[in-house]
Amino acid sequence: GENVEQHPSTLSVQEGDSAVIKCTYSDSASNYFPWYKQELGKGPQLIIDIRSNVGEKKDQRIAVTLNKTAKHFSLHITETQPEDSAVYFCAASRGNRDDKIIFGKGTRLHILP
Amino acid sequence: ETGVTQSPTHLIKTRGQQVTLRCSSQSGHNTVSWYQQALGQGPQFIFQYYREEENGRGNFPPRFSGLQFPNYSSELNVNALELDDSALYLCAIKGGDKIATEQYFGPGTRLTVT
Repeated sequence: GENVEQHPSTLSVQEGDSAVIKCTYSDSASNYFPWYKQELGKGPQLIIDIRSNVGEKKDQRIAVTLNKTAKHFSLHITETQPEDSAVYFCAASRGNRDDKIIFGKGTRLHILP
Repeated sequence: ETGVTQSPTHLIKTRGQQVTLRCSSQSGHNTVSWYQQALGQGPQFIFQYYREEENGRGNFPPRFSGLQFPNYSSELNVNALELDDSALYLCAIKGGDKIATEQYFGPGTRLTVT
């Protein structure tokens, strides 16, 4: 069945350094790849997304890359700040009206002072 | 803020009971999805409603059911609660008729089954 694998499960980086989270997906029909940030006691917040006709997208300190051939996509956070500490989820979807979003298991990101 | 609200925020139920969770948004969105998030896991798709009809379902048994109302608010009903139903239940909304639109989540309802 459809599956999204996410690595690592936990990531600790020094404040100011970069963080990279990697995901792979199994459904070759997937064409929409959102990333969510979830803070304690809150629902997931959409932070950036990418569609299959684009290889890279950047929004300030956050960037996503997509390799459709290899079915890999990654989240890059530069110049990390304490408020970046949270759980991050990658996800994949076919992008149809009745589409469902398949989530990875999440990465807990710790920003160390 | 997504403008999506869910109620209640927390709920404790006993095994075998029934529960109803609610979701609404500030502006009308014609598609609402429900997800179950177990502790330490990613959200799992339960089902989706579009214009008051279910139009997609994940791997959940029939005791999970839902409704969407003309004002696009929604309910998730779970019958015959089991201990494994303890989780954070999230609703997500998306609007418009685009093929692929962003989904925005509410804060969730934390359900504990004892």
